[in-house]
Amino acid sequence: GAGVSQSPSNKVTEKGKDVELRCDPISGHTALYWYRQSLGQGLEFLIYFQGNSAPDKSGLPSDRFSAERTGGSVSTLTIQRTQQEDSAVYLCASSRRTNYEQYFGPGTRLTVT
Amino acid sequence: KQEVTQIPAALSVPEGENLVLNCSFTDSAIYNLQWFRQDPGKGLTSLLLIQSSQREQTSGRLNASLDKSSGRSTLYIAASQPGDSATYLCAASANAGGTSYGKLTFGQGTILTVHP
Repeated sequence: GAGVSQSPSNKVTEKGKDVELRCDPISGHTALYWYRQSLGQGLEFLIYFQGNSAPDKSGLPSDRFSAERTGGSVSTLTIQRTQQEDSAVYLCASSRRTNYEQYFGPGTRLTVT
Repeated sequence: KQEVTQIPAALSVPEGENLVLNCSFTDSAIYNLQWFRQDPGKGLTSLLLIQSSQREQTSGRLNASLDKSSGRSTLYIAASQPGDSATYLCAASANAGGTSYGKLTFGQGTILTVHP
């Protein structure tokens, strides 16, 4: 079946602009996770959704970052007023339920110039 | 705070060799541990997931073990092939106040090169 998909695959934006990153999880997966992978920090957790609610937003680096999930499916990660340190690969994962195996999408490479 | 460490950081072996990748974690109260591979410029591919109640999992030439008490997991790759060249990541599913929801804490990875 179809895996986790993310769009766009690459995004180049100017410092100060807002960006939206999209994640389409595997159909039927109730849990959805966002992670960020950067050279200096490795892979780090950002936010988790169970259904449409986000019980844990502790990994969001600042209030410029927000995320939502609608219909228990698609999720959007929004970064406002982007900064150069936001440059990274943003990975989305989904799992059938919490604590089940996580399946990752190909990621969105964000470059802030 | 959970910390995950992987040793070695890089490994280069000739084709056909058996090898072991190591992962250690500081908080033994994990829910499960997952091993992934990542090819350059790609996302993560799940290899094996070990529940905290399990000691090992096997898939083809891969075998992963888990020792919660010592905070260690190993990934054993038998008869390595050039196609196994990738970065291998382990990740522990953290507990949060006694309730776990699958938040993964990752190690820095082991870069594996298998040369013909």
